[in-house]
Amino acid sequence: RKEVEQDPGPFNVPEGATVAFNCTYSNSASQSFFWYRQDCRKEPKLLMSVYSSGNEDGRFTAQLNRASQYISLLIRDSKLSDSATYLCAVTGNTGGFKTIFGAGTRLFVKA
Amino acid sequence: DAGVIQSPRHEVTEMGQEVTLRCKPISGHNSLFWYRQTMMRGLELLIYFNNNVPIDDSGMPEDRFSAKMPNASFSTLKIQPSEPRDSAVYFCASSLMQRGDTQYFGPGTRLTVL
Repeated sequence: RKEVEQDPGPFNVPEGATVAFNCTYSNSASQSFFWYRQDCRKEPKLLMSVYSSGNEDGRFTAQLNRASQYISLLIRDSKLSDSATYLCAVTGNTGGFKTIFGAGTRLFVKA
Repeated sequence: DAGVIQSPRHEVTEMGQEVTLRCKPISGHNSLFWYRQTMMRGLELLIYFNNNVPIDDSGMPEDRFSAKMPNASFSTLKIQPSEPRDSAVYFCASSLMQRGDTQYFGPGTRLTVL
């Protein structure tokens, strides 16, 4: 089993739709959680950190479920510009706090 | 402020040649990470440094790969000899702190080994 797993998609949604991604992790002692966005042929960039209490940034909401060991990302009112690959990242407390990235979920938002 | 700087942006070389990738982290960041990204394997951590000291190199594929960080503002990843299966995008990233802090990625080096 991979340490961090994501559904690769692709998710094809119309503009204005709400779409949600999940990411599961295997290390129950993981301490930090993030969602990154990666555009085609570009580097990953931080979208948002994920806190235990959940957090929201405009149309984006991230949540953490420690009991079930997953994090989620919800995008409301999808825009064409949201089309990208979304990577989850999990930092554990072993191996010097190494960060493991998921393989990414591809999202296509269509007009 | 300048972000993470990587060079070269593109590298095409022949099998057996030595390849050196370079990275300048964001000033003031004390952790530096080297990743490799391919379609098949996704984004893989190769090695990371904290305060110029290698902390975890368990992701380095084999002895052909080596990385150094002689000072806080420069790191290299070397492949010698290179093989076609090394073809990938290599990213360098830096963060302010080691423990679960946001990582800032460079633009990557797209390596093709013929």
